[in-house]
Amino acid sequence: DGGITQSPKYLFRKEGQNVTLSCEQNLNHDAMYWYRQDPGQGLRLIYYSQIVNDFQKGDIAEGYSVSREKKESFPLTVTSAQKNPTAFYLCASSSPSSTSGRVNEQFFGPGTRLTVL
Amino acid sequence: AQKVTQAQTEISVVEKEDVTLDCVYETRDTTYYLFWYKQPPSGELVFLIRRNSFDEQNEISGRYSWNFQKSTSSFNFTITASQVVDSAVYFCALSEANYGQNFVFGPGTRLSVLP
Repeated sequence: DGGITQSPKYLFRKEGQNVTLSCEQNLNHDAMYWYRQDPGQGLRLIYYSQIVNDFQKGDIAEGYSVSREKKESFPLTVTSAQKNPTAFYLCASSSPSSTSGRVNEQFFGPGTRLTVL
Repeated sequence: AQKVTQAQTEISVVEKEDVTLDCVYETRDTTYYLFWYKQPPSGELVFLIRRNSFDEQNEISGRYSWNFQKSTSSFNFTITASQVVDSAVYFCALSEANYGQNFVFGPGTRLSVLP
């Protein structure tokens, strides 16, 4: 089955620790995204990558880092510099926009709920 | 700047009632795409529909229908004869063609369908 997997489902972090959230897709999509969701709010973009070995900051990149060494994988590291990391994190992927500019839908993983103790 | 507003924070209906979720967007682009997603309690967002700015035809898919009106910058979503399984948070999103593939999401509307 094609899809996006995220692990772990729940993650607990002590203050001052870095943690890495995994995101893997087998949809053969070029583009991948990380979003943060806080209660009662929509999704906010942390980082995105449109191709391997390239990624761009989103709206709330401070305190986060990513890598894109393989097409299938886009891990997110939440560093100790992120002041309020407790949130629900969603990874998504999409096939690239066509040359005509058509934007394709994003497919989402099941999410990782991070709690700082 | 692009922005999506979903003014209804929470809606409760009784099963079999019809319900409309509102979505109002702001964009300066003439070419853009609108999306609706469903987020059930499990947390994963499920894609429902994509609409581009040049296609104002309304769409119906089973009990779901969408009303796109450029004149009012709205893309409303109606569920007919709601069911308990429709209970979820629904998000409207906007992507401008000139802004690549990045989406701007509204804050979501939590729909509770009571038996």
